Amino acid sequence: DAKTTQPPSMDCAEGRAANLPCNHSTISGNEYVYWYRQIHSQGPQYIIHGLKNNETNEMASLIITEDRKSSTLILPHATLRDTAVYYCIVRVEGTDSWGKLQFGAGTQVVVTP
Amino acid sequence: KAGVTQTPRYLIKTRGQQVTLSCSPISGHRSVSWYQQTPGQGLQFLFEYFSETQRNKGNFPGRFSGRQFSNSRSEMNVSTLELGDSALYLCASSPGGYSGNTIYFGEGSWLTVV
Repeated sequence: DAKTTQPPSMDCAEGRAANLPCNHSTISGNEYVYWYRQIHSQGPQYIIHGLKNNETNEMASLIITEDRKSSTLILPHATLRDTAVYYCIVRVEGTDSWGKLQFGAGTQVVVTP
Repeated sequence: KAGVTQTPRYLIKTRGQQVTLSCSPISGHRSVSWYQQTPGQGLQFLFEYFSETQRNKGNFPGRFSGRQFSNSRSEMNVSTLELGDSALYLCASSPGGYSGNTIYFGEGSWLTVV
């Protein structure tokens, strides 16, 4: 699976949008971009995933560049409860690794009042 | 719909002992995976089970083993515990059969080895 690069940390003011970048320059055509987050001492929580098109759900938006070499997760109105480590993962479809995700170090996001 | 349930949530064991952790996947999910999370190594894949068969295994010693039952519930076992086995052990489930299915995690079992 393609490797991802994320900034180790970022701060965000409560109520503002948080834009989390992820670089995946070696991504292949059949690899999806997934985002999870992990609040301290809890299990990772699925946020969103996408292939080429931008995606939005009740939690966040995912913007993938046209060349697919990078993406941005947008939390539209950050709250204190969004403080967590955010993981960007690329995942190949069509393989037999149904339950396997390769986690990097992620981005520690701290939302401040 | 209930999420992935792991028991126990916290436990303390002594070096040399063994431990068994349990995981109940989301109803209808047949793929169960286990992960270990430590401060030094981050989140690492241990193994995956589907229909009672181990399908993938990460780079861990043979002291780490698992199994899956016919109702998709899974257990993992660590024998001859070492101090370095202290970690958060996470179970994840997905429907299986297709790698595009979303994987959902439980809250984890915190293991401390003393």
